[in-house]
Amino acid sequence: DTAVSQTPKYLVTQMGNDKSIKCEQNLGHDTMYWYKQDSKKFLKIMFSYNNKELIINETVPNRFSPKSPDKAHLNLHINSLELGDSAVYFCASSQEEGPGTDTQYFGPGTRLTVL
Amino acid sequence: GEDVEQSLFLSVREGDSSVINCTYTDSSSTYLYWYKQEPGAGLQLLTYIFSNMDMKQDQRLTVLLNKKDKHLSLRIADTQTGDSAIYFCAANKLIFGAGTRLAVHP
Repeated sequence: DTAVSQTPKYLVTQMGNDKSIKCEQNLGHDTMYWYKQDSKKFLKIMFSYNNKELIINETVPNRFSPKSPDKAHLNLHINSLELGDSAVYFCASSQEEGPGTDTQYFGPGTRLTVL
Repeated sequence: GEDVEQSLFLSVREGDSSVINCTYTDSSSTYLYWYKQEPGAGLQLLTYIFSNMDMKQDQRLTVLLNKKDKHLSLRIADTQTGDSAIYFCAANKLIFGAGTRLAVHP
């Protein structure tokens, strides 16, 4: 009965490859997010979707393409992986789009290592 | 742009109080949050405070907000070893600080 789940938990791949990370939430939330946490633990918003529509796209290379097939899923596809893409990627969801008392629920993270 | 800053490390003795500080730049921040991240896990919301409040207490946690100075703090009373984690301050849900690593020693 995990609220926000991500697969895979670990991903090790070569530079130049294309990979995907999947996220699913069973909370019935309307909004989902992708964050990147680098080795120094800085956590930065990458994308936000509300009802399958992209609402936030922070300065992220276009090698990163989020896809939301339905409200419960937000997948992240990364083309031509680079060394600097190595990080932990967190998916999150919340009921509301803007700031408010509703919290974000975070997934356990996907540790991506690019060799 | 908006920014949230925190000190990176804090070490306290078990049983003492811990105070983690945070400053933010966006004066229109309406909600400020504290999250806890344990090793290998995602972030969990600890507490939040609305910008028209000065203080919020929740069991061992006390949040103080100085809106004039844009300063937020989290006080953990009677700190336990299980409190060892990284604590993130966040403004308006999306802007996170770099996290403060709290180490609790006997």
